[in-house]
Amino acid sequence: NAGVMQNPRHLVRRRGQEARLRCSPMKGHSHVYWYRQLPEEGLKFMVYLQKENIIDESGMPKERFSAEFPKEGPSILRIQQVVRGDSAAYFCASSRTGQGLLSNEKLFFGSGTQLSVL
Amino acid sequence: AQKVTQAQTEISVVEKEDVTLDCVYETRDTTYYLFWYKQPPSGELVFLIRRNSFDEQNEISGRYSWNFQKSTSSFNFTITASQVVDSAVYFCALRSGNTPLVFGKGTRLSVIA
Repeated sequence: NAGVMQNPRHLVRRRGQEARLRCSPMKGHSHVYWYRQLPEEGLKFMVYLQKENIIDESGMPKERFSAEFPKEGPSILRIQQVVRGDSAAYFCASSRTGQGLLSNEKLFFGSGTQLSVL
Repeated sequence: AQKVTQAQTEISVVEKEDVTLDCVYETRDTTYYLFWYKQPPSGELVFLIRRNSFDEQNEISGRYSWNFQKSTSSFNFTITASQVVDSAVYFCALRSGNTPLVFGKGTRLSVIA
């Protein structure tokens, strides 16, 4: 059952370190979305990528955060110089087609990565 | 701008009671899609239903039912004869135009045996 795979499930970092979160989309899916969930909050959109392209990064903080989805391999969400406020659950989702007026595809979500910054 | 409001932060019910989770949305688009997701204690997000704006027919799936009313911009979710396994956080979400899927803050449902 090749669903959306995220790893690690839990990641602990000290302030100032880098965090790398990985996401492998479902087989056949070439669209990836990253969401962040703060405690007691809903999911907030961060970035939408297609293979080798960032389509929408309107929800991404301007500094320290970056994302990529290379031609081969998983999508990576990278957070440099983490701070305590980065502690959250980060969810990845994938879809076969992209967002758009005619796209009603549901997003398939991974189990998330819980990032804890000490 | 797109917005989803789930006014109920937490709900507790006793097993076998019926419970309705409210969802109110805002969008200026005439074509849009509404979703409900379940997040059990294990953390993953489980898709429950998708509904497009042109289909106001209510839907029933087992103990779950959804009431979509465009006149009030609401897409409420009812669980009949609730069970302990229904305990989770439930998210309503909206997609319209080229915007990303927008989530409400969720409603935490606790079903007590």
